[in-house]
Amino acid sequence: AQSVTQPDIHITVSEGASLELRCNYSYGATPYLFWYVQSPGQGLQLLLKYFSGDTLVQGIKGFEAEFKRSQSSFNLRKPSVHWSDAAEYFCAVGTGGGNKLTFGTGTQLKVEL
Amino acid sequence: KAGVTQTPRYLIKTRGQQVTLSCSPISGHRSVSWYQQTPGQGLQFLFEYFSETQRNKGNFPGRFSGRQFSNSRSEMNVSTLELGDSALYLCASSLFRVGDTEAFFGQGTRLTVV
Repeated sequence: AQSVTQPDIHITVSEGASLELRCNYSYGATPYLFWYVQSPGQGLQLLLKYFSGDTLVQGIKGFEAEFKRSQSSFNLRKPSVHWSDAAEYFCAVGTGGGNKLTFGTGTQLKVEL
Repeated sequence: KAGVTQTPRYLIKTRGQQVTLSCSPISGHRSVSWYQQTPGQGLQFLFEYFSETQRNKGNFPGRFSGRQFSNSRSEMNVSTLELGDSALYLCASSLFRVGDTEAFFGQGTRLTVV
């Protein structure tokens, strides 16, 4: 069975600083990997996805993530954080051909002005 | 293109009652899945439907059920509500295409059981 670990429950960064959110997954086959963002009381918005090909994927809002098979990781990065990026971020792994996502426990991002 | 629509947005129910939540997927999407989100358990998969058939089911009791209609709209039902069923219930839709499991989520239904 697949699983996702997000080791950081809370992260605080200053506006303008760089950001890296960690995600490690466990899945027997080639994983489909996703990062979602959730603002309070809202649904999940897809930031980016990895299915195959280039291991560095670009997403919306200036986010990118790098798939590293050897480390079973899919870390999310942003070079310069904006105050509006404060939210909860979820990493997820999907099973190919289906629609079942297994989520990590999330990382709450706080941005200091 | 309209997104995933969930109704109602908020619900308050009493223990022992039952509740039905509705989800309208993005036009053209044939797969709908449901997730429960709670502070303690996080995001947990409930079930997934495609072409009116349940394809996957998570580890939830039989009180949780769902269905999908021919227009891909889906409903989930929870019977004999318990306090622990209080949660944000999220619906997601996606195309059914091998290699494409990008899921789009609705705003959710906030269920409070008192």
